[in-house]
Amino acid sequence: DTEVTQTPKHLVMGMTNKKSLKCEQHMGHRAMYWYKQKAKKPPELMFVYSYEKLSINESVPSRFSPECPNSSLLNLHLHALQPEDSALYLCASSQGGGLSYEQYFGPGTRLTVT
Amino acid sequence: AQTVTQSQPEMSVQEAETVTLSCTYDTSESDYYLFWYKQPPSRQMILVIRQEAYKQQNATENRFSVNFQKAAKSFSLKISDSQLGDAAMYFCAYRSAWVNRDDKIIFGKGTRLHILP
Repeated sequence: DTEVTQTPKHLVMGMTNKKSLKCEQHMGHRAMYWYKQKAKKPPELMFVYSYEKLSINESVPSRFSPECPNSSLLNLHLHALQPEDSALYLCASSQGGGLSYEQYFGPGTRLTVT
Repeated sequence: AQTVTQSQPEMSVQEAETVTLSCTYDTSESDYYLFWYKQPPSRQMILVIRQEAYKQQNATENRFSVNFQKAAKSFSLKISDSQLGDAAMYFCAYRSAWVNRDDKIIFGKGTRLHILP
């Protein structure tokens, strides 16, 4: 099973709202990623968790707050977002630890900030 | 720093024909991985094919094959017998093979492939 699931599929939120995106994988992967993708552009890396520790933060604004409760789950907490944050948010996972190099992507959450 | 360049923003191919998508990359590393990812409109990004830099043999997956030229730093994707379901954005991507390196994948800007019936 090479499935990464994400909820919700679509999210519309106001600039003062607080919401969370969720990602789950049951492949035993130890590295998980958040990406932001604008239309017709490649994914932009936001955060990497390796063995449940934040290993990369690509200078993402603090209104995005990642959390990795356990090795299967990854959350992205959103607060006080701006309209320019509207995008497709992708979660991905990989085995990590140098064991494998491809990443498996979830279907994404389409976020609209009004 | 590594870079990945896809010089063809869009391409079209007739159904059942063969098409080649180009990708070049720049790196000072000797060991790395290259990937082609496919992202159909409003659908999930999936891995199409992977190439290890230490392998001379070009990777093949059914109708998809690559032409890996390490010295030229070129990694093109050939799709044979194109099907309507092949219509998608294709991203070429690079990842260092160093275990101690971070887990970043570097993506090219993508090539939008249209299949003409």
